[in-house]
Amino acid sequence: GDSVTQMEGPVTLSEEAFLTINCTYTATGYPSLFWYVQYPGEGLQLLLKATKADDKGSNKGFEATYRKETTSFHLEKGSVQVSDSAVYFCALSDRPDMRFGAGTRLTVKP
Amino acid sequence: GAVVSQHPSWVICKSGTSVKIECRSLDFQATTMFWYRQFPKQSLMLMATSNEGSKATYEQGVEKDKFLINHASLTLSTLTVTSAHPEDSSFYICSARDGSGRRLDVRYEQYFGPGTRLTVT
Repeated sequence: GDSVTQMEGPVTLSEEAFLTINCTYTATGYPSLFWYVQYPGEGLQLLLKATKADDKGSNKGFEATYRKETTSFHLEKGSVQVSDSAVYFCALSDRPDMRFGAGTRLTVKP
Repeated sequence: GAVVSQHPSWVICKSGTSVKIECRSLDFQATTMFWYRQFPKQSLMLMATSNEGSKATYEQGVEKDKFLINHASLTLSTLTVTSAHPEDSSFYICSARDGSGRRLDVRYEQYFGPGTRLTVT
């Protein structure tokens, strides 16, 4: 069945460092792909999304490109801030329900 | 647009009592709503899928008699944790899909509520 594999965390970076969080997926169809962010004690907020191969989702300096050939949707940001500290979830949806990765906790230190 | 609310945001109850959590879509009609459970430092686990006007479909291992789901209208779904015990303490998150067809840009996108933290003492 459909599944998402995310890079193991936690990830700790210094402010202004480059961020990559790897995400790969397995799906029989053509899923839509998402990155969600969860701040402590809160629900999920959609960060970005892509619906087809080669689409690039972007928001708040974060980017991810839907790569069908490598079945990947890696999250990147060129310069992280302390306020980016949160848990990031990769997800796919090829059916009415959604499959999530395990989540990657990011801590950015000043 | 596409706002989903949950109420309450947190609740503390005594063991053996029942707790109801509401999930509302504020500006769209949600033909399908989902209930997730999240343990500390873990990912979301889908508990059940509910379609308006029909019985919920529960994931394997989720007790349907314990977690009662009602989706009586296009904007409201409720999750009732019956005879709650400490092991039911968790963060419960609902999500909803827009069934109106207006948002066609992303297939199967879900909009998430802010979550409800349940603590059973």
